[in-house]
Amino acid sequence: NAGVTQTPKFQVLKTGQSMTLQCAQDMNHEYMSWYRQDPGMGLRLIHYSVGAGITDQGEVPNGYNVSRSTTEDFPLRLLSAAPSQTSVYFCASSYGRGASSPLHFGNGTRLTVT
Amino acid sequence: GENVEQHPSTLSVQEGDSAVIKCTYSDSASNYFPWYKQELGKRPQLIIDIRSNVGEKKDQRIAVTLNKTAKHFSLHITETQPEDSAVYFCAASSPPGGGNKLTFGTGTQLKVEL
Repeated sequence: NAGVTQTPKFQVLKTGQSMTLQCAQDMNHEYMSWYRQDPGMGLRLIHYSVGAGITDQGEVPNGYNVSRSTTEDFPLRLLSAAPSQTSVYFCASSYGRGASSPLHFGNGTRLTVT
Repeated sequence: GENVEQHPSTLSVQEGDSAVIKCTYSDSASNYFPWYKQELGKRPQLIIDIRSNVGEKKDQRIAVTLNKTAKHFSLHITETQPEDSAVYFCAASSPPGGGNKLTFGTGTQLKVEL
């Protein structure tokens, strides 16, 4: 199993550009989520999904969209990039919807918005 | 929503000493408390977790304690080694949305000195 795969690893955008961060998992996990990590602020939840066709907002959803058309994929879309979205983005998945089970993280995408 | 506070933000110990990191949470409904270790430039990885029906859990040199009444939990690392140097994050589940919807603390930079 590859686990959680994120692409790209690095990305530089200009203000106002849009892009999609890709996330795929091959563990048949129902739960998937996106976090952003900023210095001194830990990991903050952007959006999450408890299964195909179901998404919900986390703590910091503004400026981001998600969709979950398949169990495997959970892309994160930046609609109009802003410098405040410069961050490291992690996708994470876990087994089950309601049970507390460990989150498996991808290797992250480092995004810089100029 | 859930709020998790983590202390200290930095911790320096001598090799062989013990290290303790403390976290408090606000939502009495939270029932799952994992700890993640993140090495520089890498993804967070689960090192130990505890559920609300257990007061303590050990795994070799690592232990976690939970006090539900006081709403705090702690990570204890004994006989620290240089490879323990990393950033450690505590987290708490945030129902509804499943126990997988985690709120993270802001992290502790642990440095183990020779």
